[in-house]
Amino acid sequence: AAGVIQSPRHLIKEKRETATLKCYPIPRHDTVYWYQQGPGQDPQFLISFYEKMQSDKGSIPDRFSAQQFSDYHSELNMSSLELGDSALYFCASRGQGPNEQFFGPGTRLTVL
Amino acid sequence: QKEVEQDPGPLSVPEGAIVSLNCTYSNSAFQYFMWYRQYSRKGPELLMYTYSSGNKEDGRFTAQVDKSSKYISLFIRDSQPSDSATYLCAMSAIQGGSEKLVFGKGTKLTVNP
Repeated sequence: AAGVIQSPRHLIKEKRETATLKCYPIPRHDTVYWYQQGPGQDPQFLISFYEKMQSDKGSIPDRFSAQQFSDYHSELNMSSLELGDSALYFCASRGQGPNEQFFGPGTRLTVL
Repeated sequence: QKEVEQDPGPLSVPEGAIVSLNCTYSNSAFQYFMWYRQYSRKGPELLMYTYSSGNKEDGRFTAQVDKSSKYISLFIRDSQPSDSATYLCAMSAIQGGSEKLVFGKGTKLTVNP
């Protein structure tokens, strides 16, 4: 079965640079969630989209923005990167019905 | 205090043992309860999903929810070395359609052959 696709899988950036992470949800899933997982930490909710509209916002810095496109893929844009932004970034998608969120493999961002 | 508390372990058991993993929570608005398995450097994999008090069984896995005590458990029977991973409990409320997940810290499990 098709799963959530994230790209790139690994990303290395310098401080103050920008990064764009992409997420392609499971086909026919209309809701996308972004989570950040620091080393040894649990995933923390950043932001979510339903039908291309932002549906909720968590502890996402103002330096980050995101959107969901007409094909339901989503992009997380991160600017003025800081060392503390180094983490695994997961995208999860869900369809209509139960709140079963399926996670992608993640993007490992390293800020040097 | 975190909304979801989970003993991080680590937990080490012999192959074939019954494993019990637990989480407690404080937010009575949580209605959906999930268990995820995460291998090192991989994405969380959904194992079990429940939305009511009681037990739900799927193969060697049983999820138990006690809303009155705000306590959930995951039992793994006949544990295998391939079950070695970090197990995360997660919960969500119904809030304007978002239903973001709030995770526990995760319990690292090692099943020794």
